[in-house]
Amino acid sequence: GAVVSQHPSRVICKSGTSVKIECRSLDFQATTMFWYRQFPKQSLMLMATSNEGSKATYEQGVEKDKFLINHASLTLSTLTVTSAHPEDSSFYICSARVGPLYNQPQHFGDGTRLSIL
Amino acid sequence: AQSVTQPDIHITVSEGASLELRCNYSYGATPYLFWYVQSPGQGLQLLLKYFSGDTLVQGIKGFEAEFKRSQSSFNLRKPSVHWSDAAEYFCAVGSMNRDDKIIFGKGTRLHILP
Repeated sequence: GAVVSQHPSRVICKSGTSVKIECRSLDFQATTMFWYRQFPKQSLMLMATSNEGSKATYEQGVEKDKFLINHASLTLSTLTVTSAHPEDSSFYICSARVGPLYNQPQHFGDGTRLSIL
Repeated sequence: AQSVTQPDIHITVSEGASLELRCNYSYGATPYLFWYVQSPGQGLQLLLKYFSGDTLVQGIKGFEAEFKRSQSSFNLRKPSVHWSDAAEYFCAVGSMNRDDKIIFGKGTRLHILP
């Protein structure tokens, strides 16, 4: 149980392109999803918290106009990297929390490797 | 604010040997603690979690962790490692407050010698 699917697993595109990454909870409803960015050999950096039906909460230093997050349903959140540039190349990981309680663990997708040429 | 420290960036053990990965946390109240494992190029998988109760927590894949309040530690252990255990391990601490964030340590990369 608690499977999170993230798609696509890898994206290679030209600079200036917008890229959409999907995060789906397959067997549970996720009122809260999280988006992380992971640089090589480093820990996860929380970018934003995505709540179903409301605006995402962005961490300090994360450009909300650059990283658009939509959480339109209890099973789907999307991250769109707008006008991507080489410095946006990274490993992006989503997670979803089972249930509304803040002490419940997050379950992670397999990540998306984004490479901007 | 909570924080978590994993003192060892790399750990190398022989296959079949025992393993202990260290994790120290900082939090004013009882923390919620997690261990995750990440294989190369993949997301994170939850190994185990501690919220309350028995301080020795059993997880998947033969892992266990012990919460020691006096030492502010939540070390991960396995009695006999397998080559497939080679991965990055992250300790994480959660808050009892309405703040949703889970803070991750910087990770420990585990290498297994044949």
